Amino acid sequence: AQSVTQLDSQVPVFEEAPVELRCNYSSSVSVYLFWYVQYPNQGLQLLLKYLSGSTLVKGINGFEAEFNKSQTSFHLRKPSVHISDTAEYFCAVSDPPAAGNKLTFGGGTRVLVKP
Amino acid sequence: GAGVSQSPSNKVTEKGKDVELRCDPISGHTALYWYRQSLGQGLEFLIYFQGNSAPDKSGLPSDRFSAERTGGSVSTLTIQRTQQEDSAVYLCASSTYSGTDSTDTQYFGPGTRLTVL
Repeated sequence: AQSVTQLDSQVPVFEEAPVELRCNYSSSVSVYLFWYVQYPNQGLQLLLKYLSGSTLVKGINGFEAEFNKSQTSFHLRKPSVHISDTAEYFCAVSDPPAAGNKLTFGGGTRVLVKP
Repeated sequence: GAGVSQSPSNKVTEKGKDVELRCDPISGHTALYWYRQSLGQGLEFLIYFQGNSAPDKSGLPSDRFSAERTGGSVSTLTIQRTQQEDSAVYLCASSTYSGTDSTDTQYFGPGTRLTVL
């Protein structure tokens, strides 16, 4: 079974500082990787996804993530955060395509941007 | 356009009662997913519908949980004889479906917060 580990449950960061959210996965097959953001009292919104090709993926709101197959990681970064980036971030991996695209999520990382 | 909608937004029930949670997917989306978000278990997959295929129920935690999708659109998640551990936010997502080797983006609704007293 696949699993996703987000190493940090909470990340406090000052406004305009960079942030990196760590994600590691375990899978014996090729995977598709995702980052979702959940703003307070809202559903999840896709930030970016890695399917194949370039290992550096750019998403919305200035976020990017790098797929590293040898380290089984998919860390999310933003060079300069805003107050509005305060939210919970989830890394996810999809099951093998033949089984549908159900997602396995990490435990989430809560980002608190301080002025 | 309209996104995924879920109702009710909040539901408080007593232990042992049955509850029904509703999901209206984005029009034209043939794939529909239910997930549960709880403090103890995080975000976990429950069930998946795609077109007229048999649903993937592999994530349902017990036989008290069931779901159906009528007319390939609206879905209802039913929890019978609710227990306190069922308290969670139930999220619905929908997507297009481009085939078995695709990763169509899942669009999530705002969720239904269920509290079992």
